[in-house]
Amino acid sequence: AQKITQTQPGMFVQEKEAVTLDCTYDTSDPSYGLFWYKQPSSGEMIFLIYQGSYDQQNATEGRYSLNFQKARKSANLVISASQLGDSAMYFCAMREGRSSNTGKLIFGQGTTLQVKP
Amino acid sequence: EAGVVQSPRYKIIEKKQPVAFWCNPISGHNTLYWYRQNLGQGPELLIRYENEEAVDDSQLPKDRFSAERLKGVDSTLKIQPAELGDSAVYLCASSLLRGGTEQYFGPGTRLTVT
Repeated sequence: AQKITQTQPGMFVQEKEAVTLDCTYDTSDPSYGLFWYKQPSSGEMIFLIYQGSYDQQNATEGRYSLNFQKARKSANLVISASQLGDSAMYFCAMREGRSSNTGKLIFGQGTTLQVKP
Repeated sequence: EAGVVQSPRYKIIEKKQPVAFWCNPISGHNTLYWYRQNLGQGPELLIRYENEEAVDDSQLPKDRFSAERLKGVDSTLKIQPAELGDSAVYLCASSLLRGGTEQYFGPGTRLTVT
């Protein structure tokens, strides 16, 4: 069965430092997509970054990068130069199939990140 | 470009009462999703639409939940009657292609059942 695991309920980081949020996944499908979303206190889920299972390079989007280790089934999110506005809940999610008929996202439990000034 | 719109943002009802949530997806997005997010957890899919057709409703508690997307644009999710355990945030999302792109989420409706 598909599963996403985020083992860090809460993380602290000093402003301007980098932080890594862990995510491991489990699937038997060779084709899948991995996503990271940010959910601030306002509640909206904001898409951050996407990694396809066949992508050769790790995805990057501005200050966000995804450390994709396929053999270990991990997809950690790295945020560089943390800002106070990065304080939020972060969710890792997986969708099976590159163009899956389901389109359903399976989410992890989330990690709360707090950036200290 | 306007994002996914949901209303109401907050709703407080007594148990056994009915409640409805409304979602208007991003213009042109043919796929619409309803997720439920319990406190401290990630969202879980309730139902997914491709245009007017519900293509995945396996997680929808059909004894009390119903949904519709009559013209393939906006959608309504209803609970009747509500139970205490239905207290959660109900998120609507939409995407342009069938599984091809990321899903864009609305702000959610926070339901409290007393």
